[in-house]
Amino acid sequence: GAVVSQHPSRVICKSGTSVKIECRSLDFQATTMFWYRQFPKQSLMLMATSNEGSKATYEQGVEKDKFLINHASLTLSTLTVTSAHPEDSSFYICSAVGQGRGRSNQPQHFGDGTRLSIL
Amino acid sequence: AQSVTQPDIHITVSEGASLELRCNYSYGATPYLFWYVQSPGQGLQLLLKYFSGDTLVQGIKGFEAEFKRSQSSFNLRKPSVHWSDAAEYFCAVGASRDDKIIFGKGTRLHILP
Repeated sequence: GAVVSQHPSRVICKSGTSVKIECRSLDFQATTMFWYRQFPKQSLMLMATSNEGSKATYEQGVEKDKFLINHASLTLSTLTVTSAHPEDSSFYICSAVGQGRGRSNQPQHFGDGTRLSIL
Repeated sequence: AQSVTQPDIHITVSEGASLELRCNYSYGATPYLFWYVQSPGQGLQLLLKYFSGDTLVQGIKGFEAEFKRSQSSFNLRKPSVHWSDAAEYFCAVGASRDDKIIFGKGTRLHILP
């Protein structure tokens, strides 16, 4: 079953609104989570690295004031797209790295993604 | 900096034929390598990974990949493809298990009946 839950799976909203996407690790603690963005028919581009209890590290060219990331607990990271516009429409995917017993050889686990459409 | 090259944007094979998807990476140390598959509108599914050890890695759905350090390659293979294998395939590299993953641009696999 899914070990990383991403919610919502799809969201449609009007231009100018803010949208929050949640990424939860279901059966493990994740000190690090990553947020990726994928435009249609393109590859995944890393947006930011989210570390529990500290500020996120953004990749070059990603607006930190536009894409707010919060990693307040070991099982939850959120991405908020503020004042969204049509060009923010995309597929957003998170991943989480597990910590602790039995996790030392496990790769990142990806969520199922969120399809964001801004009208 | 890490990078991944998938030279083939599209590949078409007949059902039952063998498959090889190419992947070359650029990284200064021993990389962590991955192959993911993505169906339209869906998330990613991990096919296989290489962290260390045996350079021939077996994955799910009958896929395998071979890590060749001398060629900086990690090609994905399957001896006989099925129509359900039609999807987008991404090769990816990371500096460690915990590090960010850099994805290639992907190869779209088409299967002819």
